[in-house]
Amino acid sequence: EPEVTQTPSHQVTQMGQEVILRCVPISNHLYFYWYRQILGQKVEFLVSFYNNEISEKSEIFDDQFSVERPDGSNFTLKIRSTKLEDSAMYFCASSAPDRGKISGANVLTFGAGSRLTVL
Amino acid sequence: AQKVTQAQTEISVVEKEDVTLDCVYETRDTTYYLFWYKQPPSGELVFLIRRNSFDEQNEISGRYSWNFQKSTSSFNFTITASQVVDSAVYFCALVNRDDKIIFGKGTRLHILP
Repeated sequence: EPEVTQTPSHQVTQMGQEVILRCVPISNHLYFYWYRQILGQKVEFLVSFYNNEISEKSEIFDDQFSVERPDGSNFTLKIRSTKLEDSAMYFCASSAPDRGKISGANVLTFGAGSRLTVL
Repeated sequence: AQKVTQAQTEISVVEKEDVTLDCVYETRDTTYYLFWYKQPPSGELVFLIRRNSFDEQNEISGRYSWNFQKSTSSFNFTITASQVVDSAVYFCALVNRDDKIIFGKGTRLHILP
């Protein structure tokens, strides 16, 4: 069963430090996503990425966040200067193109998540 | 506005009981998709079902069944003969023409042995 792999599973960092979360999506998928879940709260959309550029981002995804796909396999989320409120579980997801009427209503396959703790 | 409401924050049932998780959604679009995901204690999100807005047929998959009713904007999920392994947080989600998933806050389900 193909899966989305995320590393690290848990990272602890000091406020103000840069953090890079890594994801290896399923190899034939073309759409990539980051979501986050603050402890005990709902899962929130951060950003979607297609054809080597951001296709959509939420208001949470401010200038402190960036994504890239540096080598055609990894999909990374960088937080430039972490804040306490960035502590959360970050989920990467990927999907394949779908023939349905809504291009994005694909079945997303989520990774296991990377837990970020900012002290 | 697009919104998904899961009014039940937490539910506890004894093993082998049936349990229904409620999901009510709001959207102005006529074309949309609804999903259920399971988040076990290990934390990952596991896809359970996708349903498009034109298909109101109920679906059964083993002990799981889903009841989609457009008239009440609900997409409820029932687990029959629950098992301890069903203990998890369950998220209902909506995708519309804005092309991103909107999740409900989740319902934490405890199945007691």
